[in-house]
Parts: sequence; structure tokens; C-alpha cells
Amino acid sequence: GAGVSQTPSNKVTEKGKYVELRCDPISGHTALYWYRQSLGQGPEFLIYFQGTGAADDSGLPNDRFFAVRPEGSVSTLKIQRTERGDSAVYLCASSLLRRRRSGNTIYFGEGSWLTVV
Amino acid sequence: AQSVTQLDSHVSVSEGTPVLLRCNYSSSYSPSLFWYVQHPNKGLQLLLKYTSAATLVKGINGFEAEFKKSETSFHLTKPSAHMSDAAEYFCVVTPSGTYKYIFGTGTRLKVLA
Repeated sequence: GAGVSQTPSNKVTEKGKYVELRCDPISGHTALYWYRQSLGQGPEFLIYFQGTGAADDSGLPNDRFFAVRPEGSVSTLKIQRTERGDSAVYLCASSLLRRRRSGNTIYFGEGSWLTVV
Repeated sequence: AQSVTQLDSHVSVSEGTPVLLRCNYSSSYSPSLFWYVQHPNKGLQLLLKYTSAATLVKGINGFEAEFKKSETSFHLTKPSAHMSDAAEYFCVVTPSGTYKYIFGTGTRLKVLA
């Protein structure tokens, strides 16, 4: 597709349930990122993939959060035993990978709004 | 640690008047800096970016920003506000040699008719 696609756009789940959020990056983008945006805050980094591997998962808040990208394209963010504090917008982004340089422009999807009740 | 500070959480301007959204960064090395805009219930859209080329950067929709190393600032400006500019604006720093975006807390711009 033309942009980063995220599904579902909205998800309401009960506390303690398991949730999966899907991200389909821009075709050809090898780098993929997950961010979380709580109400009134800026997005916070969760995890970054180069290809299939998680190059940096330092932003995952605890072991209930896990993300995969098995074929180097689509990624799934998985949240186990959801808590009310997990309610947020989960943003996926992708970019071309340029070695030894920063300043890559990353392109964001519209996010998945997760509400844990 | 790298960080970015957006000095105003809310800014109100009248339509047709200039816009100034302030951002200061903290970085040990030459960072890359970005401004993103987020309209209600929409995704983040890149306005402009600085990556050690020209210090005055022009972006979309008439926005521009100037990188001032001596002041560690990257303020966003626009000569004349339009109603459609009402949105949340985020200043972002990417430390040199990394791919991690660090966002400010955002500035909500309100444009009054």
C-alpha cells in the first residue's frame, strides 16, 4: 500500500485479555518501529526492527509486551494480560534503512487505539 | 541522555498572524531534528527535518524552522496562521548514529478566527 497500515484501528478489550496489533509497513522499508502514545503525551519508543530481528527493544515496558516480524515485512505487537494502564494509541512506523547515518525519515501509520476496560 | 523540550504546551494565535512553536534539544553530538504534526484522529505527518545541511529548513504548508546550535534550539515558525494549522505539533530529535526518535511532549496550536 501507499502508507503504513495498522489494524485494528480501534480495540476495546477486557483487563487480563490478550491483544494483537498488526502493522503493514510501506513496501520496501526494512526498518520498522513501534511507539506508544498515551493521552496528552508524545509518542514513546517501544521497539525497532531491522529486517526480521529486533535491533532495539529497550522501550518495551515489561515482559507482557512482545513484537515479532517473522518475514521482515508485517509486524505484530502482542500484549498479554492487558492492564488498564496499557490503554493508549500504538503507532507503527517504517523507514528505509541507511547505515551510518541518522536522520532517516520515518513514516507513521494512523495508529491502533487500545482501550482496556 | 538525549532529550527535547517543547516550551509551550498550548499556543493560541489569530488567523493570519505569525506562529512560533519553541523547541530546545539536548544532544552530545550533531543530532537530526524533525517537526511532526498530528491532526485530531490522524497519523503523524512530517513537516520538515534538519540533518546538518542548511540551518534554515523549509517544510510543507509554509512552515520553516531554524537550527541554532549555540542556543540548542529548533523553533518552528510560519508567517501567517491558517485555520487548518490547528493541531498538535511534536519536535523530535534523533541522536547521531541511532535510529531512535525521541519526541517532545507536544504543543497544541489553536487558531482563532
